[in-house]
Amino acid sequence: KAGVTQTPRYLIKTRGQQVTLSCSPISGHRSVSWYQQTPGQGLQFLFEYFSETQRNKGNFPGRFSGRQFSNSRSEMNVSTLELGDSALYLCASSPRTGTNEKLFFGSGTQLSVL
Amino acid sequence: QKEVEQDPGPLSVPEGAIVSLNCTYSNSAFQYFMWYRQYSRKGPELLMYTYSSGNKEDGRFTAQVDKSSKYISLFIRDSQPSDSATYLCAMKWNNDMRFGAGTRLTVKP
Repeated sequence: KAGVTQTPRYLIKTRGQQVTLSCSPISGHRSVSWYQQTPGQGLQFLFEYFSETQRNKGNFPGRFSGRQFSNSRSEMNVSTLELGDSALYLCASSPRTGTNEKLFFGSGTQLSVL
Repeated sequence: QKEVEQDPGPLSVPEGAIVSLNCTYSNSAFQYFMWYRQYSRKGPELLMYTYSSGNKEDGRFTAQVDKSSKYISLFIRDSQPSDSATYLCAMKWNNDMRFGAGTRLTVKP
């Protein structure tokens, strides 16, 4: 069974630009969560999608948004990038919502904002 | 005070040593406790998962949860160089998950 796939692996952007990251969950998994990982703050929850609906949201500004498609694939978008948005963005899938104690993570997208 | 506290290390041990990794937390509502392992340039992978207090063993790994002290531990017996990674504790209440900052472990041959 293929794992969680995230693209691209690396991104370099400049301040003010926007970026879209993509995540394909494990086949059969319908819940997709997004996390931001930085050395200072660790792993912080962004949002969770299940059946194309946002089920839970972390404490991030509205510049961070996401969506989920009917095939469970998900994208997250960050608009008006700031230097502090530089981080590893991780996507995780689980079979259904409410089971996010057993998350399966992708390798992440490393975003650098210059 | 952070909701979940984890010593970031780094921790360096010789091969074969017993490793103890720990987290403390402040929210007594947490019910599920997890340990994830993260290799360099990879996403975290679930190692251990426990519900409420008690011990759970899986091969060389033992997870302990003491809810009265709000303290969880992961023990690694007979540590191997392949155990070198960052270990993250995580805990959950309802749909709310919190991660520790991670402890970087190096096991030297």
